Amino acid sequence: DIVMTQTPLALSVTPGQPASISCKSSQSLLRSDGRTSLYWHLQKPGQSPQVLIYEVSNRLSGVPDRFSGSGSGTEFTLKISRVEAEDVGLYYCMQTIQFPTFGQGTNLEIK
Amino acid sequence: EVQLVESGGGLVQPGGSLRLSCEASGFTFSDSWMRWVRQAPGKGLEVVAIIKQDGNEKYYVDSVKGRFTISRDNAKNSLYLQMNSLRAEDTAIYYCAKWDYWGQGTRVTVSS
Repeated sequence: DIVMTQTPLALSVTPGQPASISCKSSQSLLRSDGRTSLYWHLQKPGQSPQVLIYEVSNRLSGVPDRFSGSGSGTEFTLKISRVEAEDVGLYYCMQTIQFPTFGQGTNLEIK
Repeated sequence: EVQLVESGGGLVQPGGSLRLSCEASGFTFSDSWMRWVRQAPGKGLEVVAIIKQDGNEKYYVDSVKGRFTISRDNAKNSLYLQMNSLRAEDTAIYYCAKWDYWGQGTRVTVSS
């Protein structure tokens, strides 16, 4: 199984400040077709998860452009350029190159 | 509008069975890989099972192999999860999901 490791596991951010979450996979997520099977999900308090980013850096329709994803191979980053109160929740990276697995989750709170 | 509506959760005794259903709408169900994902109380996300568009490929997390069966009926736009020999550690919210959308989940509690 591919192990996904997120850091940090908790983040406290002042509104308007940036935030960054790292995700490392135990194997490369680069597919033979050139795409990379790395997704970012956000679970807001009391809600089901939602997909933010697919294939490393593509925002799903409706996701604010303050969210951006980057990385390649085994190392990936989710960045929020200016955190807003509505961004609180648990952020998960997920790989789908093999049977899907998630990172442990990063809990973002507002200072 | 995409909708995934789960049902079938509830309280069941250890060793018992439940069948979860997920009714899909707003997209071409038969074109989509589908998955069941669970979240135990206070824990993270775990994919339980996935199924290919035509239902001919199915994969499971090791902890449910031989106990859970994923299936689909493309004519009914529905996804299913048959759960047998349930254990306390199967207690969780079970979500139906496709690559870009999640349902609201159905709660399964395994307890005597």
